[in-house]
Amino acid sequence: GAVVSQHPSWVICKSGTSVKIECRSLDFQATTMFWYRQFPKQSLMLMATSNEGSKATYEQGVEKDKFLINHASLTLSTLTVTSAHPEDSSFYICSAHRQGSSYNEQFFGPGTRLTVL
Amino acid sequence: AQSVTQLDSQVPVFEEAPVELRCNYSSSVSVYLFWYVQYPNQGLQLLLKYLSGSTLVKGINGFEAEFNKSQTSFHLRKPSVHISDTAEYFCAVRSVGSNYQLIWGAGTKLIIKP
Repeated sequence: GAVVSQHPSWVICKSGTSVKIECRSLDFQATTMFWYRQFPKQSLMLMATSNEGSKATYEQGVEKDKFLINHASLTLSTLTVTSAHPEDSSFYICSAHRQGSSYNEQFFGPGTRLTVL
Repeated sequence: AQSVTQLDSQVPVFEEAPVELRCNYSSSVSVYLFWYVQYPNQGLQLLLKYLSGSTLVKGINGFEAEFNKSQTSFHLRKPSVHISDTAEYFCAVRSVGSNYQLIWGAGTKLIIKP
């Protein structure tokens, strides 16, 4: 199967610090990864599309300087929440598009719960 | 532009009863359709998908969905639910040939009553 991991699964940090979340495709190459944010009892909100070797494409309203995305290899994308504040507390989920799949299926990571104190 | 509507934010149902979770979409182009399940504090798991062919799609955990093009619907059904089916269910669509971006419904929380 196609497995996507996220690390850490949960993190608690102080306001003003930066937090890095990793998203890895464990058994396939992913040219495209997506980062989502999910607020309690709500649907997923697409934050950005991350393409290997190029700059991420951010959705309207998402601050690119606050949510830094790096897709340095075909198996790893990172999301860094810079100078985190309590309003950044959320559940962050990544997904990866498997290169060469017949209908471009996305596989989802288990999510990262970020709590900013 | 595309959109997905899940009319029911919550669906309570008794254990072993049948359930239907509704999903309607709008799109000017052909789409792929998906249902995902999210258990508490977990990521999303693909339940089933419609790409083409037979309009009745069977997925994991005994779920099935039927694509109705004329009604632009993709309702999810299960003939007999279990406590373990308690979760949030999301319907999503994606344009055929697009850049893989999924358009999501708001989700339906399935509540199983003993």
